[in-house]
Amino acid sequence: NAGVTQTPKFQVLKTGQSMTLQCAQDMNHEYMSWYRQDPGMGLRLIHYSVGAGITDQGEVPNGYNVSRSTTEDFPLRLLSAAPSQTSVYFCASSYGLADTQYFGPGTRLTVL
Amino acid sequence: AQSVSQHNHHVILSEAASLELGCNYSYGGTVNLFWYVQYPGQHLQLLLKYFSGDPLVKGIKGFEAEFIKSKFSFNLRKPSVQWSDTAEYFCAVSNNNDMRFGAGTRLTVKP
Repeated sequence: NAGVTQTPKFQVLKTGQSMTLQCAQDMNHEYMSWYRQDPGMGLRLIHYSVGAGITDQGEVPNGYNVSRSTTEDFPLRLLSAAPSQTSVYFCASSYGLADTQYFGPGTRLTVL
Repeated sequence: AQSVSQHNHHVILSEAASLELGCNYSYGGTVNLFWYVQYPGQHLQLLLKYFSGDPLVKGIKGFEAEFIKSKFSFNLRKPSVQWSDTAEYFCAVSNNNDMRFGAGTRLTVKP
């Protein structure tokens, strides 16, 4: 059981570039989510999915897109990177939104 | 929208000292409560959780937390900390529609 995996671990982008952060889980969890972690602000929910084909916005969705074509994968797309998106991004999965979250190792993103 | 407040941003303790980290939330309905821990260089993992029943819950590594509904609080405690408890601790609150994390408390334990 690999749990929740994320790639890449580190990424540097220039303003305006686009990229996709990958997330996969092998626990057959219906619920998956993306958070960003910023100093002094804890984790904030970006987008979440309650199952394949179903996604919804969290607290801070602007500038990000998601899709969920399979139960296992939940990629996060940055359409046009901005310095304000410099952060550490965590993917998580669980049986439901209110249940224990299982986190991936994170992606540290720097936007110059 | 519900919010979660963690009062201490950085706590420094010596080994064997007792620990209490505060967590208060604003949501008044039925909630689930969590404490997660992030050790240096590692990802977040569950320390303990409260869904219902006994308001005093015990987690891993000797941690416990008490849910006081009247105070909207879920404080984390450990009677005697170790150097290996150095980490960042996050309180989280969820209901069926939302999950919110506190800003985190960084704990440094001096050997």
